Amino acid sequence: SQTIHQWPATLVQPVGSPLSLECTVEGTSNPNLYWYRQAAGRGLQLLFYSVGIGQISSEVPQNLSASRPQDRQFILSSKKLLLSDSGFYLCAWSVASGGAETQYFGPGTRLLVL
Amino acid sequence: KQEVTQIPAALSVPEGENLVLNCSFTDSAIYNLQWFRQDPGKGLTSLLLIQSSQREQTSGRLNASLDKSSGRSTLYIAASQPGDSATYLCAVTNQAGTALIFGKGTTLSVSS
Repeated sequence: SQTIHQWPATLVQPVGSPLSLECTVEGTSNPNLYWYRQAAGRGLQLLFYSVGIGQISSEVPQNLSASRPQDRQFILSSKKLLLSDSGFYLCAWSVASGGAETQYFGPGTRLLVL
Repeated sequence: KQEVTQIPAALSVPEGENLVLNCSFTDSAIYNLQWFRQDPGKGLTSLLLIQSSQREQTSGRLNASLDKSSGRSTLYIAASQPGDSATYLCAVTNQAGTALIFGKGTTLSVSS
């Protein structure tokens, strides 16, 4: 069966510090991978998605970047965090196909930037 | 640009009641629509997925309907239980078929 892991579960970081959140998927090959953010009082927003190693698409301009160094690994990074980067970050995966498939979400990382 | 709206934002009901959560979207050209559940501080759990060619899906006490032409979906929960307390999110797949656009959710509280 497939599982998706995210770490850390919670993170408190000072403004201006770097960030690295990791997501890994097990039990599937060549998945589509996604990073979402849920800010307080707002809906879930897609940040990045990837259809393969080294292939990253950004949905919104921001202070964050994403990388996919391995097939089942997706990393969300920042060189200098802003207060507005606080939120709940969710990684998701789906089967790679020509259509739209169900997305499966990880447990999330709660980030607080102070 | 696709926008998804969920009404109400919060709902409190006594145990045993049947209830309906509403979702509307502005662009009817969707690939599918999903309903998710999110428990506090947790990730999302997919409840139901309705393909654009379908009108409804059922799973246990849950029934989701889709009316593409009017841009609406409803999630019907029968005989609600305290364990149903959570935030319910509606999401439609974007035109590229690669990702979801979410509503802000309805927070449901079922009291015993």
